[in-house]
Amino acid sequence: EVQLVESGGGLVQPGRSLRLSCAASGFTFDDYAMHWVRQAPGKGLEWVSGISWNSGSIGYADSVKGRFTISRDNAKNSLYLQMNSLRAEDTALYYCAKGTGRLAAREGDDYWGQGTLVTVSS
Amino acid sequence: SYELTQPPSVSVSPGQTARITCSGDALPKQYAYWYQQKPGQAPVLVIYKDSERPSGIPERFSGSSSGTTVTLTISGVQAEDEADYYCQSADSSGTYGVFGGGTKLTVL
Repeated sequence: EVQLVESGGGLVQPGRSLRLSCAASGFTFDDYAMHWVRQAPGKGLEWVSGISWNSGSIGYADSVKGRFTISRDNAKNSLYLQMNSLRAEDTALYYCAKGTGRLAAREGDDYWGQGTLVTVSS
Repeated sequence: SYELTQPPSVSVSPGQTARITCSGDALPKQYAYWYQQKPGQAPVLVIYKDSERPSGIPERFSGSSSGTTVTLTISGVQAEDEADYYCQSADSSGTYGVFGGGTKLTVL
């Protein structure tokens, strides 16, 4: 059974940093791209970042480019999102999602975690 | 930046057919994916690569593509299909992903 468990969310002040983690199990982690998708309260889904199976291809939404860094550790079956210079508009539920293939961004996601909530407020 | 456009809402009676469209300039080059999201739940993939249906998804869900528009069709809509539906694709070079704004399907 595929499982994706996000952690690391919480309340953080504007301008500060936070690191999200996603622990994956139930599939061959290093065969698939992984993504972060967020959803602000009462709003739609927003694609945040994606990383290919071997970290060779990485993409970011314009809204987070230069502030967020995605990474993965295939030995630990884990995905990460380092979030710096956080803003109020980054407040959202952050989902970790498993790609349907090896390529980031273009192949959709077939499994999703339950999300971790990030609140940016003073 | 690249955008996908969906209607905000669609309403149908039970047993009728619901069609949800998604438009974007790069759709002729990149596949589209459709997700169903019910309140308080994570999204569920219902269509991949424009028209393929994952295992476990009912046959009443289908997808099609024509030029810059893709369409999710739900035939014989049931009350349990009431949810938000999102299309997803990538920019023309496949560098980043994008979601449509979402469509709220109401079953009357």
